[in-house]
Amino acid sequence: EVQLVESGGGLVQPGGSLRLSCAASGFSFSNYAMYWVRQAPGKGLEFVSTISSSGGSTYYANSVKGRFTISRDNSKNTLYLQMGSLRTEDMSVYYCARGSHGGFDIWGQGAMVTVSS
Amino acid sequence: QSALTQPASVSGSPGQSITISCTGTSSDVGGYVYVSWYQQHPGKAPKLVIYEVSNRPSGVSDRFSGSKSGNTASLTISGLQAEDEADYYCSSYTSISTYVFGTGTKVTVL
Repeated sequence: EVQLVESGGGLVQPGGSLRLSCAASGFSFSNYAMYWVRQAPGKGLEFVSTISSSGGSTYYANSVKGRFTISRDNSKNTLYLQMGSLRTEDMSVYYCARGSHGGFDIWGQGAMVTVSS
Repeated sequence: QSALTQPASVSGSPGQSITISCTGTSSDVGGYVYVSWYQQHPGKAPKLVIYEVSNRPSGVSDRFSGSKSGNTASLTISGLQAEDEADYYCSSYTSISTYVFGTGTKVTVL
């Protein structure tokens, strides 16, 4: 079964750091670009970051540039999002997603990140 | 990158057809074929229903169809069913190699 499973979410204080992981299974992970998309409570979807299949290219939304870092370990079939200098406005469910034909065809179940003192 | 503009809500009776619009710019919707649509039920992850403007993934009902004209893309749901009640989001590739989502549309089946 093709599957993405996020982990690492939780409660963090403003200014703190957190690392999300996304474990992929059921497909050739190293062949696909991967994405992080977030959704604040009661709000819409927001693109966060993308990484190419090899990991050589990365792009970020302006809202997280310089604070978040996307990476991947193709030997472990795992995608990461290192989040730093967290703000209350970063509080969201974070989804990892597989890229295909310019869309996101497989999504994880999401990991909740709560930023609060 | 500003969010693509969608109507906040659209409603229809069972069996009817509805259309959701998604308006962007020449730097996103108007400039690329990589426009996709997602269905999201409450508390669930989004599900891809249309990719590359008008293509349906395997397993998605043919009641879902997509199109694009200029800077505006559209999703049409024909033969509306109760299970179609959900939030719908469009997405587009952008000129700065990122993606942008629409503001979202709540579909209500009357």
